[in-house]
Amino acid sequence: NAGVTQTPKFRVLKTGQSMTLLCAQDMNHEYMYWYRQDPGMGLRLIHYSVGEGTTAKGEVPDGYNVSRLKKQNFLLGLESAAPSQTSVYFCASSRQGYPYEQYFGPGTRLTVT
Amino acid sequence: AQTVTQSQPEMSVQEAETVTLSCTYDTSESDYYLFWYKQPPSRQMILVIRQEAYKQQNATENRFSVNFQKAAKSFSLKISDSQLGDAAMYFCASQGGSEKLVFGKGTKLTVNP
Repeated sequence: NAGVTQTPKFRVLKTGQSMTLLCAQDMNHEYMYWYRQDPGMGLRLIHYSVGEGTTAKGEVPDGYNVSRLKKQNFLLGLESAAPSQTSVYFCASSRQGYPYEQYFGPGTRLTVT
Repeated sequence: AQTVTQSQPEMSVQEAETVTLSCTYDTSESDYYLFWYKQPPSRQMILVIRQEAYKQQNATENRFSVNFQKAAKSFSLKISDSQLGDAAMYFCASQGGSEKLVFGKGTKLTVNP
């Protein structure tokens, strides 16, 4: 099993450009999450999904959209990238919600110039 | 709302020695879980240890153990016989009654040979 994979691993965008980050998991997990990690800030939850076709806002959702059309995939979109969205983005999945362990992907480093 | 505080931005330890990383938390939940994650330079988030709040016995995983003081809302991580491979960022996290993990800002651990 590959676990949780993220595509791409690195990306550089110009301000105003759009892009989509793809997260895929092969563990048949119901729950999926998107976090961002900034220096000195730990990980903060952007959006999450409790099942196929559902999404919900986390702590820092502004400027992002998500979709969960298939159970195994969770997409994070930036419609108009801003320098403040320069960060490392992590996807995670878990079998259910509380108290099941979350498994993390390797992260995507995004730079917005 | 849950909060997690790690008051030590950086720590260092000599190889083979013992080090303790501090974490305090606040939650209104009566049932919750606490976690320590390790993030090496590869960026991969790795679960080190977890503690169920209703269990009085401190969790241990090989060289890693916790000191869970529920009344004081303290959850420290002790690493015994430190190894060079233990060098990483360590994040404390809590999860209480929902699918959301709340992370501290992290402690960077350096292991000196």
